[in-house]
Amino acid sequence: AQSVTQLGSHVSVSEGALVLLRCNYSSSVPPYLFWYVQYPNQGLQLLLKYTSAATLVKGINGFEAEFKKSETSFHLTKPSAHMSDAAEYFCAVSETGFQKLVFGTGTRLLVSP
Amino acid sequence: DSGVTQTPKHLITATGQRVTLRCSPRSGDLSVYWYQQSLDQGLQFLIQYYNGEERAKGNILERFSAQQFPDLHSELNLSSLELGDSALYFCASSVGGGALNTGELFFGEGSRLTVL
Repeated sequence: AQSVTQLGSHVSVSEGALVLLRCNYSSSVPPYLFWYVQYPNQGLQLLLKYTSAATLVKGINGFEAEFKKSETSFHLTKPSAHMSDAAEYFCAVSETGFQKLVFGTGTRLLVSP
Repeated sequence: DSGVTQTPKHLITATGQRVTLRCSPRSGDLSVYWYQQSLDQGLQFLIQYYNGEERAKGNILERFSAQQFPDLHSELNLSSLELGDSALYFCASSVGGGALNTGELFFGEGSRLTVL
């Protein structure tokens, strides 16, 4: 069965610093991969998705992620953190693009001035 | 605003009781998904409906049930509630449930259930 592992339940960065949130996946077939963001007291919002097209995927709010099959990774990056990026980020996988998404445990991003 | 509406936003009840959570998907979306989010379990997929029919089942307890109605709204019924059922319950919707599903889910703001 497919799964994702997010390394680090909390990541702290300074405003303007690079953001790197790690996600490794396990899948027996080519996966569909997603990053969602959850702001306090809100539902999840799609940041970006990989569906076997370009390996470097650009999303909203300046985030991007690179699919690396050899490393089974789909890390999320942003060159310069903003205070408004503070939120919880979830990596998710779907083997077929159908039906359910399997989510990681989430990484809380803290941004300090 | 995702376009997915969940009611109620907050619910406090006692052990042994039964509650119903309601979800209205985005206009045009045929699939509805239910997820449970708790501190110890994270985001757990419960169940999916597509155009009124159950499509996929996850870690849903036998005490829980769901359905999707002809107008595509969905209800999640939780019965014989236990303290451990306290969680945030999310509904999400998507356009398709099969080949058309790109995997993008649109989430509601959740229903926070507290069982005392």
